[in-house]
Amino acid sequence: AQSVTQLGSHVSVSEGALVLLRCNYSSSVPPYLFWYVQYPNQGLQLLLKYTSAATLVKGINGFEAEFKKSETSFHLTKPSAHMSDAAEYFCAVISNFGNEKLTFGTGTRLTIIP
Amino acid sequence: NAGVTQTPKFQVLKTGQSMTLQCAQDMNHEYMSWYRQDPGMGLRLIHYSVGAGITDQGEVPNGYNVSRSTTEDFPLRLLSAAPSQTSVYFCASSRTHGETQYFGPGTRLLVL
Repeated sequence: AQSVTQLGSHVSVSEGALVLLRCNYSSSVPPYLFWYVQYPNQGLQLLLKYTSAATLVKGINGFEAEFKKSETSFHLTKPSAHMSDAAEYFCAVISNFGNEKLTFGTGTRLTIIP
Repeated sequence: NAGVTQTPKFQVLKTGQSMTLQCAQDMNHEYMSWYRQDPGMGLRLIHYSVGAGITDQGEVPNGYNVSRSTTEDFPLRLLSAAPSQTSVYFCASSRTHGETQYFGPGTRLLVL
């Protein structure tokens, strides 16, 4: 079985400050990991994904995430927050083989303080 | 490419009514799925399909039916709507299982 835990349902950061959104996963086999972003009243769009290549993954809009197997983590970071980053962010996991389905975390709402 | 489209955008139903949420994709993706999104619960898988003619249940299938007669379309049917089905519904597609899923804009459903 697989699962995802996102620590902090709400995170607030000042404009220009570091963004850190936490994601820990559980998977009995090597996982694929995803970060999706949802802007208000829109669907989800992919920010970045890890599929067992480089452990540091760069995504769109200046976001990146690092896969740390020893910590079972896949935290999302951005060096300098922008007002347009305000959204809800979802971490998701799927095993890279087998019949598991994509499993989402409960989401983290990011607020940017001017 | 329109990507993944969903209709309607918003719907109000009375308890016991039935309706169909439409989903279509023009990317020739084999894998399609339906999720519901509720506050504090993330997205939960309702049903999915790995190709035309093949469907299976996800995490929360009760009260919903699906069919997949073509690669492009994957409608979700609510048989007898209940207030507990008030939610935002998202359809998604991907080339195969495990690849990036592309999401539609969602259908907001209110059951009174």
